[in-house]
Amino acid sequence: EAGVAQSPRYKIIEKRQSVAFWCNPISGHATLYWYQQILGQGPKLLIQFQNNGVVDDSQLPKDRFSAERLKGVDSTLKIQPAKLEDSAVYLCASSLIAGILTDLNTGELFFGEGSRLTVL
Amino acid sequence: AQTVTQSQPEMSVQEAETVTLSCTYDTSESNYYLFWYKQPPSRQMILVIRQEAYKQQNATENRFSVNFQKAAKSFSLKISDSQLGDTAMYFCATPQGGSEKLVFGKGTKLTVNP
Repeated sequence: EAGVAQSPRYKIIEKRQSVAFWCNPISGHATLYWYQQILGQGPKLLIQFQNNGVVDDSQLPKDRFSAERLKGVDSTLKIQPAKLEDSAVYLCASSLIAGILTDLNTGELFFGEGSRLTVL
Repeated sequence: AQTVTQSQPEMSVQEAETVTLSCTYDTSESNYYLFWYKQPPSRQMILVIRQEAYKQQNATENRFSVNFQKAAKSFSLKISDSQLGDTAMYFCATPQGGSEKLVFGKGTKLTVNP
């Protein structure tokens, strides 16, 4: 079974430029998450989708970050304009479906390898 | 605010010895799972072990086990017979907010020494 795919793995940009990250979740997973992981810290949730709808984007800096999951499958996270403090690894994760806990659907997240962003 | 606290930023252990990583949490969820994730230097987060909050029995996966104290909201990870490949960041995570989104602690960097 294919895992969560993310691209690009690495990106270096100047501040005020824009960048986009792409994520393709595990097939059949309804819920998709974008996390930001700053060096030395734990992942922080930016946005959660269920199918093509946003469940939670309370931590997303909406003045510069945007995300979409138009067809309920893959997703794109965009930053425009980037700031120095946006340097981080952007992790995409997916899970079966939120809101229905069972022995098979425990809320476990499956992560991609991440996209490392460096803003100069 | 709902939080996950890992009080040990770094730990080290000798190969073949046992180490325990601590985690305390706060959640308003009524039924939930708790998770320990491992993040090796290659960066991909992988699940180590999970515990259902309603189960009395502590979860065990090979060399990994948990000590779950629900009343104290404590969820520690014990690694027995440590191996060099266990060197990684370890994150404790609990679901919060009613939509099962996981909130992570700051992590514990574990180094296994030969």
